[in-house]
Amino acid sequence: QSVLTQPPSASGTPGQRVTISCSGSSSNIGSYYVYWYQHLPGTAPKLLIHRNDQRPSGVPDRFSGSKSGTSAYLAISGLRSEDEADYYCATGDDSLSGLVIFGGGTKLTVL
Amino acid sequence: QVQLQESGPGLVKPWETLSLTCTVSGYSISSGFYWGWIRQPPGQGLEWIGIIYHTGTTYYNPSLQSRVTISVDTSKNQFSLRLSSVTAADTAVYYCARDPVDIVATVGGFDYWGQGTLVTVSS
Repeated sequence: QSVLTQPPSASGTPGQRVTISCSGSSSNIGSYYVYWYQHLPGTAPKLLIHRNDQRPSGVPDRFSGSKSGTSAYLAISGLRSEDEADYYCATGDDSLSGLVIFGGGTKLTVL
Repeated sequence: QVQLQESGPGLVKPWETLSLTCTVSGYSISSGFYWGWIRQPPGQGLEWIGIIYHTGTTYYNPSLQSRVTISVDTSKNQFSLRLSSVTAADTAVYYCARDPVDIVATVGGFDYWGQGTLVTVSS
């Protein structure tokens, strides 16, 4: 059970906008940068968002990140079938959970 | 192009030590940044194991700290993971990855990953 709470699943139809949440506390999201990863089965996770809302080079601008207080959000606009994957948030933590913690992951289904 | 490649046994017996090495190409570890290990047990999410700075400073997941050691060999451009006294709960795909920061408070954004290696703990 992660200290970062993500919905286990999310879904949308092609072209829609979907938002995935990541809820934490003042000791993690409230104090550190948030990162988002896309993980397709059988591949390595891919960094989608760094430092809360920055997109690495090559990541489409359909993906956007934001943070408010102790929660963070990943938004995917213009949903495509290839966006079907698991999405994880990650951040630092001041408590005994460790220097880096991952959320439990959200399985995104494109209907 | 930065590339990372995990290597090591795919099968480890219970209570023995899991040892993996990550070989980095396209970037010199001695130039900086943090280097980490992350794992994913079957059907579960990602779990951070620990990271090492190019100078050798390490940080570990508290739940694994008593059993884990991460080391770096800059002459070979490699870093390694050792996890002792393994059980079936340690069966997972193990990834090595680079975190392109030099300030520990900003770690968490791994930009380059190895393809992952499945390690099964079984007798």
